[in-house]
Amino acid sequence: EPEVTQTPSHQVTQMGQEVILRCVPISNHLYFYWYRQILGQKVEFLVSFYNNEISEKSEIFDDQFSVERPDGSNFTLKIRSTKLEDSAMYFCASSEQQGRIQPQHFGDGTRLSIL
Amino acid sequence: DAKTTQPNSMESNEEEPVHLPCNHSTISGTDYIHWYRQLPSQGPEYVIHGLTSNVNNRMASLAIAEDRKSSTLILHRATLRDAAVYYCILRDANSGYALNFGKGTSLLVTP
Repeated sequence: EPEVTQTPSHQVTQMGQEVILRCVPISNHLYFYWYRQILGQKVEFLVSFYNNEISEKSEIFDDQFSVERPDGSNFTLKIRSTKLEDSAMYFCASSEQQGRIQPQHFGDGTRLSIL
Repeated sequence: DAKTTQPNSMESNEEEPVHLPCNHSTISGTDYIHWYRQLPSQGPEYVIHGLTSNVNNRMASLAIAEDRKSSTLILHRATLRDAAVYYCILRDANSGYALNFGKGTSLLVTP
């Protein structure tokens, strides 16, 4: 069964450094998402992306964050200047279409640790 | 989005059925009921969704009350691998792109 893959599984970065989290969505999917989950808390939506544009973003997704689909297979989340509070699990997801009956398929996440 | 209420935790014995409830008393007529689960150290996983009729798939069954104010996710024979946090999420035409995860129900399965 096709799956969403994320790399690396664990990223350790010094505060203030830039970090790029990478995702390969399912190949025929058109909609891409990033979520995060701070340890012990809920899964929170960050951003959705379609047709090379951000379609929706949450309040968390401020100017420090950006997303890109640099080629036909990868989808990336960049944090420009990391803060301690950015430490979390980051999940990438994709869906074939958008809408209230469309399931989103998630990767197993990247654990980001900011020192 | 309409609000859902789930118990914080439930416990089940292996190989027994599990009924995970979700209350959504303010559900609108166009809200779909979705269930996801999150196994330990993994990302959320889609389980099932429905609108009005009961639904079955290879993972689970979804029973929806006639007034749609509640629903129940049914795992017919729990296995140790079913230990996870289960999320009940409503989605309507105005839900946008985001899945709105609550705290969910943490299911413990004991041998």
